[in-house]
Amino acid sequence: DVKVTQSSRYLVKRTGEKVFLECVQDMDHENMFWYRQDPGLGLRLIYFSYDVKMKEKGDIPEGYSVSREKKERFSLILESASTNQTSMYLCASSPPYSSLNTEAFFGQGTRLTVV
Amino acid sequence: AQSVTQLDSQVPVFEEAPVELRCNYSSSVSVYLFWYVQYPNQGLQLLLKYLSGSTLVKGINGFEAEFNKSQTSFHLRKPSVHISDTAEYFCAVIAPYNQGGKLIFGQGTELSVKP
Repeated sequence: DVKVTQSSRYLVKRTGEKVFLECVQDMDHENMFWYRQDPGLGLRLIYFSYDVKMKEKGDIPEGYSVSREKKERFSLILESASTNQTSMYLCASSPPYSSLNTEAFFGQGTRLTVV
Repeated sequence: AQSVTQLDSQVPVFEEAPVELRCNYSSSVSVYLFWYVQYPNQGLQLLLKYLSGSTLVKGINGFEAEFNKSQTSFHLRKPSVHISDTAEYFCAVIAPYNQGGKLIFGQGTELSVKP
């Protein structure tokens, strides 16, 4: 089974802390994505990566950065956490668009609360 | 750039009734289309996808969707719903990397099936 694993299900951090959310996939997928999910807003793309060390901004990158040093791992970094970053964060991975089997596989999510 | 609009934020329906969840997308290029389902406190699971070929796509749990290129729509249907179909449903689109490569989601539709 494809597995996308997020390091924490629940996380509580203080305002101003630097926060790392880790995501690991075991399917050798080229693409990896970070989203945040908020009620009524659906899933909004923060960043995505199509290869090691490559990244592209999504629709809401402000306040976030990412790192992809190895193909299987994609990290989301909140440089200085703020209360408006309290949310559910979802990581996903997928084969490239050219693959006939392309679809995204999701982790279970990390519910981050910033206090 | 691609975008996805789910026309209904909430759809209440009685058990065994038919249901349609509407999705429209905008894109200047060919895209792949997906429907995902999220049950309470769970991650996202793929229901079905359209990559090419037949415009009527069948998925899991008795759901199907029809791709309509002229209307840029990808509506999800089920002829008879069950209580267990209560969940949030997300429509998504992905384009080739040279056209953005992002996997973009709609705002979600909450399907509530009542006895």
